[in-house]
Order: sequence, then structure tokens, then C-alpha cells
Amino acid sequence: DTEVTQTPKHLVMGMTNKKSLKCEQHMGHRAMYWYKQKAKKPPELMFVYSYEKLSINESVPSRFSPECPNSSLLNLHLHALQPEDSALYLCASSQGLLGDTQYFGPGTRLTVL
Amino acid sequence: GQQLNQSPQSMFIQEGEDVSMNCTSSSIFNTWLWYKQDPGEGPVLLIALYKAGELTSNGRLTAQFGITRKDSFLNISASIPSDVGIYFCAGHSTSGTYKYIFGTGTRLKVLA
Repeated sequence: DTEVTQTPKHLVMGMTNKKSLKCEQHMGHRAMYWYKQKAKKPPELMFVYSYEKLSINESVPSRFSPECPNSSLLNLHLHALQPEDSALYLCASSQGLLGDTQYFGPGTRLTVL
Repeated sequence: GQQLNQSPQSMFIQEGEDVSMNCTSSSIFNTWLWYKQDPGEGPVLLIALYKAGELTSNGRLTAQFGITRKDSFLNISASIPSDVGIYFCAGHSTSGTYKYIFGTGTRLKVLA
């Protein structure tokens, strides 16, 4: 099974709202990722967690706050977002880092009004 | 961020035709991945390549890890309408970072 699940599928929020995106994998992978993807562009890496610890933050604004409660779950907490943050947010996981194959979830389509 | 050169950018083909696309880099990679993405969905892994010269097939798809380790190719034989989508390559450098570098994507449209 190579499934990564994400909820919700769609999210609409105002600029003053607080919301969270959730990601789950049961493949025993120890690395998990958040990507942001704009239309017709490749995914852009935001955060990397390895063994439940934040390994990489690609200079993402603090209005995005990641959390890894355990090895299977990854959250992305959203607060005071801007309309330009509207995008497809993708979660991915891999066995480890350093070139291991990454498997993506179906994504959350976020619209910020 | 850094991106790979992927070509062609888009292509329109007739159903039944073969398709070729490629990615090139100025850096040496130790892993190449090929993904297909449908609108509003996440990328789905098609083929993973780990060794220079490796040729791997997945049904009608065949991908190769270039001998120079700076390029990779994806071929689709006898295209069908459901092959429509955006195809991304992703390469992992030997420099030891955790990041995959993504190609700019090839948008494929199949005319029935």
C-alpha cells in the first residue's frame, strides 16, 4: 500500500480564520513533507520532517505552522493567510531522506478569501 | 526555487501515437522519479530510477536514467485518452540535500 491521505479535499477560509490541514500515512515512512503547488507549476517544498523532527523549513512565512504529532501524522496549521496563499497543498512521505522515493497525497485545494 | 529543464512544455498527439519527453540538468543526480498529475489531484508516481543507464517499464511507460546521470527520458507507447495530464520529472542530487528538484512539467493532450 502506497497511500497518503489528506483532509480536507477542499478548504475555503477568510484571512482572519485559523484552520488545519491533515495528512496521514501508514507505510512506516519516517520522512514527511509539505509542498505548495500553484496552477501549472511544479510542487514547491515547504517543510520536511524526519523522525518527527523538523529538518527543513524553506523560509516559509510563520502564518504556516507545521506539526508532526507522531510518525504517521503531519499537520499544517494556517492562520492569517493571504489570498496569494491560495494553492494546492500536497503532503508526501518517503522511507527516509536522501533520495528515497516520495509518494504524494491527493492534496487540499485551499482558497483564501 | 531550482528547477530542471523539461521538454517539451506541452504536446498534442493523436490517440495511438508514441510520446517522448525528457529532463536535463546541469547537476548529477542519483535518483530520478517520474510522476503524472491530473487536474486538482496529487502527483502519482509512475516510475522510479536509481542507477545510471537503468531502463524501467511500467505497462506502456518506459523511463531511462541517462548514462551521464544528468538526464532522464520517459516514453509512452500507443497513447490513449486517459494519458492526458501533466508529467513531472523529479531528480535528487548527490549533493546530499533532502530536496527533490522538479521539472517544469510536460502537459500532454491526446486527441481521440
